[in-house]
Amino acid sequence: AQKITQTQPGMFVQEKEAVTLDCTYDTSDPSYGLFWYKQPSSGEMIFLIYQGSYDQQNATEGRYSLNFQKARKSANLVISASQLGDSAMYFCAMRGVAQGGSEKLVFGKGTKLTVNP
Amino acid sequence: DVKVTQSSRYLVKRTGEKVFLECVQDMDHENMFWYRQDPGLGLRLIYFSYDVKMKEKGDIPEGYSVSREKKERFSLILESASTNQTSMYLCASSYAYGYTFGSGTRLTVV
Repeated sequence: AQKITQTQPGMFVQEKEAVTLDCTYDTSDPSYGLFWYKQPSSGEMIFLIYQGSYDQQNATEGRYSLNFQKARKSANLVISASQLGDSAMYFCAMRGVAQGGSEKLVFGKGTKLTVNP
Repeated sequence: DVKVTQSSRYLVKRTGEKVFLECVQDMDHENMFWYRQDPGLGLRLIYFSYDVKMKEKGDIPEGYSVSREKKERFSLILESASTNQTSMYLCASSYAYGYTFGSGTRLTVV
């Protein structure tokens, strides 16, 4: 079974500083994908970044980068130059294979990020 | 713009009522999912469907059922609502690596 662990219930960062949100995963599948989503107080899930298990390079999308360490089974999200609008819940998720062979997305419990002015 | 639409943003139902949560996607996606989100527990998968009339149990299917008669519509059914089913419910659809979420239904069972 696939499992995602986010050990930081809450994080605080000063505006314009960088912050790292931790995510570790567990799976026996050789092929998997890792996602990060942002959920502001309005509730919508906003896709941020994706890393495939066979990707050689760490994924980057603007101010977001994913620090993928396969041997340690970690996929930490790094947000550079934090902005007030980055305050939100952040979820790490893993695409895995269900028993019947179809795909499913498994989520961690989330980290609440607060950016202070 | 591609969309996943959940029919209700807020819903209040009484204990014992049969409740239908509807989700419609306009992207011709094969896979659709229902999650519930509770504080401190993240998103937990209730049921998912990879084709019309096909369904698979997720991690917490007890007390729920689903229906997928058409590709674009995936319904979550609470046969007899209970107070412990008060939660935020999120629908999603996917194709390949892209997952799109609806805006959620906050259900309160009183």
